Amino acid sequence: GAVVSQHPSRVICKSGTSVKIECRSLDFQATTMFWYRQFPKQSLMLMATSNEGSKATYEQGVEKDKFLINHASLTLSTLTVTSAHPEDSSFYICSARSGKGMSNEKLFFGSGTQLSVL
Amino acid sequence: SQQGEEDPQALSIQEGENATMNCSYKTSINNLQWYRQNSGRGLVHLILIRSNEREKHSGRLRVTLDTSKKSSSLLITASRAADTASYFCATDPLTGNTGKLIFGQGTTLQVKP
Repeated sequence: GAVVSQHPSRVICKSGTSVKIECRSLDFQATTMFWYRQFPKQSLMLMATSNEGSKATYEQGVEKDKFLINHASLTLSTLTVTSAHPEDSSFYICSARSGKGMSNEKLFFGSGTQLSVL
Repeated sequence: SQQGEEDPQALSIQEGENATMNCSYKTSINNLQWYRQNSGRGLVHLILIRSNEREKHSGRLRVTLDTSKKSSSLLITASRAADTASYFCATDPLTGNTGKLIFGQGTTLQVKP
């Protein structure tokens, strides 16, 4: 099956620093990638949709200058949390959708990144 | 925004028993999907049922879909301790779709050995 690699799995940083999270599709071309935020024991909150070669579409209430998304190639999307603060501490997950065939109906998820801002 | 409502929010059963979780949604859909999430991990796709299907099986999983009631159920038969996880339904909206799925709130399943 399709594999999405997300890195790092855990990061601890000081308040005010920026953190970059990478999401790679290893064996397929991901025309669309999604970034989510998840609080403990809650569902996924969609932050933004990124399409290769174009600007990301952010959900209402998500600051695009705070959460920078770059989808520079068909296999890589990055989320940068700029000037992180303790309230940004959360579990961030990416998912990818293949652009081809019936398999593009389902999402393939990365393993998530636990961000802790001190 | 999340359109799926799932119940129960939490379910605890003994190994060998069946587990049933339900999902309701609000808009017309192309398909409905179920995902599983182990604690601290990403989600894994389990099964997809299309709007013109009423029931689907995959191993110990059975999914039903009632589009008139806008609801779905996931049945896990002969549960195992390894089935302990959170389960989410996700709908693929029929209109205004930007390719994103709408996730429900999830059901946390605990299977006791």
